[in-house]
Amino acid sequence: AQKITQTQPGMFVQEKEAVTLDCTYDTSDPSYGLFWYKQPSSGEMIFLIYQGSYDQQNATEGRYSLNFQKARKSANLVISASQLGDSAMYFCAMRVNSSYKLIFGSGTRLLVRP
Amino acid sequence: GAVVSQHPSRVICKSGTSVKIECRSLDFQATTMFWYRQFPKQSLMLMATSNEGSKATYEQGVEKDKFLINHASLTLSTLTVTSAHPEDSSFYICSARGPGLAGYEQYFGPGTRLTVT
Repeated sequence: AQKITQTQPGMFVQEKEAVTLDCTYDTSDPSYGLFWYKQPSSGEMIFLIYQGSYDQQNATEGRYSLNFQKARKSANLVISASQLGDSAMYFCAMRVNSSYKLIFGSGTRLLVRP
Repeated sequence: GAVVSQHPSRVICKSGTSVKIECRSLDFQATTMFWYRQFPKQSLMLMATSNEGSKATYEQGVEKDKFLINHASLTLSTLTVTSAHPEDSSFYICSARGPGLAGYEQYFGPGTRLTVT
């Protein structure tokens, strides 16, 4: 069965510092994709970054990078130089095969302190 | 990125009535749309997958007769919650994808908050 696990219900980070949000996944399928989404209090889902299972390099998008460790089945999100606007819920998600449907983790609430 | 809209953004209805939520892709053809439900302080749970012109595929445990999904055109999918009850109160979010988008691209609507009184 496919599963996404986020073990940090809440995290604090000081403004301008980096923070790592943990995500582990479980699937027996060799082809999958891993996503991170940000959900502010308004509820919209904002796509941050994507990593394919066959991608050789870790994905990066601006201040976001994905630390992909395939053997450990982890896909941690690193946010560098945190900003107050980064305070939100963050969800890790997985797509398996070609179904395109996403399985979400339970989320991590990030609070950036000034 | 591509834009997906939902209407209404908020709706309050009385127990026993039905409510329809629309999901539209504004600038691309959405051959596949997904409907998710999110209870307060919880994660998104996939309810069903709809492909244009065919019947929706529901996830295990989702009542297809209660949550009617129609994907009649390449830009519109609707979710109708029939005979709504207070336990159906939730945040409903759709997402869409289509040809021309990268394999990983999927765009979410802004969500609809349903309150059943």
